[in-house]
Amino acid sequence: AQSVTQPDIHITVSEGASLELRCNYSYGATPYLFWYVQSPGQGLQLLLKYFSGDTLVQGIKGFEAEFKRSQSSFNLRKPSVHWSDAAEYFCAVGSNQAGTALIFGKGTTLSVSS
Amino acid sequence: EAGVTQFPSHSVIEKGQTVTLRCDPISGHDNLYWYRRVMGKEIKFLLHFVKESKQDESGMPNNRFLAERTGGTYSTLKVQPAELEDSGVYFCASSQALRTQYFGPGTRLLVL
Repeated sequence: AQSVTQPDIHITVSEGASLELRCNYSYGATPYLFWYVQSPGQGLQLLLKYFSGDTLVQGIKGFEAEFKRSQSSFNLRKPSVHWSDAAEYFCAVGSNQAGTALIFGKGTTLSVSS
Repeated sequence: EAGVTQFPSHSVIEKGQTVTLRCDPISGHDNLYWYRRVMGKEIKFLLHFVKESKQDESGMPNNRFLAERTGGTYSTLKVQPAELEDSGVYFCASSQALRTQYFGPGTRLLVL
């Protein structure tokens, strides 16, 4: 079955500390991988995506993610978290087939402490 | 460039009533998607339009949900009659080249 697992429902990190959000996927075809973020009261914003090529991808707001095929993972990282990063983060997988629906994980809520 | 817009942002209705949600995709995007997030669950696909044609409606939960996309521009999603379990956030997304989907802010629907 195709699925995305985000094992951490809620994470709290101190401002300035590093962050890693985990994402594992199960997908039958070549995966296209995405991270979206939803800030309170806002919609889903694309942070970054991986289609092919370099397995370390850079996104907006200082985020990066690494695709590891052998581990079926696409973990999101940031070296130094800011208070404004507090939000809910979603990992999603799709394919390059026409109109493929994205499959989302359940999301990880990030809280930032001062 | 304007992003995906959705209207209304919030809707509170009673069980049995009808609600219509609207989505305006990014200009020039032929692909339009609807997703839903029920409380505590993951975001799930409902259906996909290419221009005005439904390409995949495998995620539509039942026949109380009707989606249309007139002239290949904006789309509406009607729930009639609404049930309690329909409460959640309804997201619309659009894409140009079948890959990156850009999402709107969502409509928060509460059925009482």
